[in-house]
Formats: sequence, structure tokens, C-alpha cells
Amino acid sequence: QQQVKQSPQSLIVQKGGISIINCAYENTAFDYFPWYQQFPGKGPALLIAIRPDVSEKKEGRFTISFNKSAKQFSLHIMDSQPGDSATYFCAALNYQLIWGAGTKLIIKP
Amino acid sequence: EAQVTQNPRYLITVTGKKLTVTCSQNMNHEYMSWYRQDPGLGLRQIYYSMNVEVTDKGDVPEGYKVSRKEKRNFPLILESPSPNQTSLYFCASSITSGRADGAQYFGPGTRLTVL
Repeated sequence: QQQVKQSPQSLIVQKGGISIINCAYENTAFDYFPWYQQFPGKGPALLIAIRPDVSEKKEGRFTISFNKSAKQFSLHIMDSQPGDSATYFCAALNYQLIWGAGTKLIIKP
Repeated sequence: EAQVTQNPRYLITVTGKKLTVTCSQNMNHEYMSWYRQDPGLGLRQIYYSMNVEVTDKGDVPEGYKVSRKEKRNFPLILESPSPNQTSLYFCASSITSGRADGAQYFGPGTRLTVL
């Protein structure tokens, strides 16, 4: 199965809170899991990525948690800021990138 | 500045009138791809190219054509556009060939409306 299922579709978080977006996959051949961030009027841009040999990767306020046995991975945004308001896409790479449907994140001041 | 450029950024056209959306990258990337983005459907790949003269269908290729005569350019052609091709289109590129690199660089998008 080549699908990547992303949830929730939309998310509202108070400033300073933790934003969590989840993704699940079926294909165990996926070997690279990036997250992209897209601001209105712009193309998606790579935010952070992880390979399945590690369970967590942190870059600043952004963390990917990876659960290989459950075939799930998630993006955590700590101390969420209004500037983090964007659409976030998870993806998984085998021969091609397979994309999740996206999560529209709104951070309320 | 390293970038992917697309033109036009906005286009309103009528059913059946052939159009081309250009895409160019200045990073010497081998891999290029076209996506369409529709609300609730995320990004869907239309066509991709692993290198010059090598193109292949993505998930939603019907109604589209591409060509890759030069490494830097990857135009998207709609021979006879229809209203269901109204969408936001993105071109992307990445460095590796052989298989797609997860680190893709996206253009700014082309918003197409077909009446």
C-alpha cells in the first residue's frame, strides 16, 4: 500500500502550546520520512526529515517522533507561534515521494 | 540564488485552448516533477523526470504532457484543458536521479482556472 494517512485535517492551537500532527503508512519499504511546510501563496518547503533507523529527530522547536513497529510518525511543534501557521505535509519515500493530504495549522495569539 | 521558477503564476483560460506552464531550475538537478494541489487532496504527482529525455507518469497524468529536452527546463503542457484541471500547480526538483530524493525544491506555484 502506497498511501500515507495524515491527521488531523486542521488544527487550532493556542500560542505557546504543542502542535501534534500524525501520519501512518503501510509500506515497510519506505525509508525516508520528510515533513514539508507550506505558507499561503508559496510552494512547500522541506522542514525536517527522519530515517527509520532513529526514533526521534529534533531541530529547534520541531521534532519528528518515529514508531517503526506501529508504522507511524508524527511532527511535534513545541512553543507554537503564530508564524508557524501553515499547512504541513508528511511524506514517505520509496522510489517516489508519497504525500499525506496535509494539515492546516492555525496558531491563535 | 538557487530556485525553481514557474510561469505564468496565474492563468485564466477557456476549455480546449492549449497552454504551457514553464518550469526552470538553476540547481543542476536531475530530478524534476509536476504536482497539482487541490483542497483536501494534498499534492498529487502528474509527471516526473529522472533526467533529460526520461519522463514518466505520476498518479494523475491524464490530460497532461511534459517534455525534458534540457536539464533545467520541464514544461507542463495541457493540450485541451478542461474545467477539472482547474488547480494549483507546482513544479519541483531535486538533486538525485535513480530514484526521487525526499528533499525536493518547489516553485512558487501556478494557479490555473479553466472556464
